[in-house]
Amino acid sequence: DAGVIQSPRHEVTEMGQEVTLRCKPISGHNSLFWYRQTMMRGLELLIYFNNNVPIDDSGMPEDRFSAKMPNASFSTLKIQPSEPRDSAVYFCASSDPLTAPRLHFGNGTRLTVT
Amino acid sequence: GQSLEQPSEVTAVEGAIVQINCTYQTSGFYGLSWYQQHDGGAPTFLSYNALDGLEETGRFSSFLSRSDSYGYLLLQELQMKDSASYFCAVSKDTGRRALTFGSGTRLQVQP
Repeated sequence: DAGVIQSPRHEVTEMGQEVTLRCKPISGHNSLFWYRQTMMRGLELLIYFNNNVPIDDSGMPEDRFSAKMPNASFSTLKIQPSEPRDSAVYFCASSDPLTAPRLHFGNGTRLTVT
Repeated sequence: GQSLEQPSEVTAVEGAIVQINCTYQTSGFYGLSWYQQHDGGAPTFLSYNALDGLEETGRFSSFLSRSDSYGYLLLQELQMKDSASYFCAVSKDTGRRALTFGSGTRLQVQP
């Protein structure tokens, strides 16, 4: 079991640039979650998918953020255009129906927008 | 909406016992979870309580009282490696999939 795999681990970009974060969930897990963590706001749920379908995107901050899950083994979170306030650690997590609500987190992507 | 309250920091010494409390307010309740996160690391699952009572897993135990909207994480025989942040979380929907996390309790274990 390779765990949840996220890439890149670190991303530094300039304001206005497009950023794409990637996630591969654990094989067999049918739910995928994107969380953002900052000192000020803690761990926030941005969006989650069940069986590749977005279920709840109420946490997506604004239209600059979008997420896709084209198949069961891949998801992306895109920010366009990026802003300094988007700087945070973005975590992807997955779960399976038998052990829900146990979440398995990836190692995160630390995003810095200058 | 949902809100969770937990202390921001706790300090204890090696070998001691520490209890981290969590109170919650939710429109619907489907269970209380606990996660551990070391600095620079990812949150990792510790425990889940859906029913009232105590769940024990090694040195860690978790308790839930649904009538009081309250739970706690109990860490026994503290070790230096237990220094981390601990988050309580409530399930957000009937599918018990998505979690809303508390702000976290930073535990510092001193020699």
